[in-house]
Amino acid sequence: AQKVTQAQTEISVVEKEDVTLDCVYETRDTTYYLFWYKQPPSGELVFLIRRNSFDEQNEISGRYSWNFQKSTSSFNFTITASQVVDSAVYFCALSEAGGGTSYGKLTFGQGTILTVHP
Amino acid sequence: ETGVTQSPTHLIKTRGQQVTLRCSSQSGHNTVSWYQQALGQGPQFIFQYYREEENGRGNFPPRFSGLQFPNYSSELNVNALELDDSALYLCASSPKGLLDTQYFGPGTRLTVL
Repeated sequence: AQKVTQAQTEISVVEKEDVTLDCVYETRDTTYYLFWYKQPPSGELVFLIRRNSFDEQNEISGRYSWNFQKSTSSFNFTITASQVVDSAVYFCALSEAGGGTSYGKLTFGQGTILTVHP
Repeated sequence: ETGVTQSPTHLIKTRGQQVTLRCSSQSGHNTVSWYQQALGQGPQFIFQYYREEENGRGNFPPRFSGLQFPNYSSELNVNALELDDSALYLCASSPKGLLDTQYFGPGTRLTVL
């Protein structure tokens, strides 16, 4: 069965600090997708990134970067020079594509609450 | 904004009642998924519809049921409400089928008293 673990329940930083959110996943499929979503206090989940299991290239988008390592089953998310607006709950999620019963369904981690203080 | 809308925004029901939540997916999106998010938890998959057919469900009892309409909008129905059903219910739509990125609506906050 697929599983996503976000070991950091809460992180608190001061503005302009860099912060890394950890995500470890478990799956038996060789084909799968990994996601990060942001959930601000309004409640709506905002899509940030999607990676497939065959693409281990790290990705950078502005202040956001993602490090995907299949060898350690990790998909970590770094915010550089954090800002108060980055304060939210961040979820890592996994979707299997191997044709099993969990095909296409998102399995989420418990989330990491990030608070950025001014 | 994703273009996915949900109604109502908030709802208060009493135990044993029935509730219907609605989701209007983004134009052209043929897949809709429903998730339940209890306070302080990650969303849990309820079920998913692709072109009006259910494509499997998570670990939820049969009193949770759903529909997808020809215009790809969707409903989630919950019968015999229990206190533990209090949660944020999230709908997500995908443009290109079951494996595509899911874009979420703002959710419906259900409180069962």
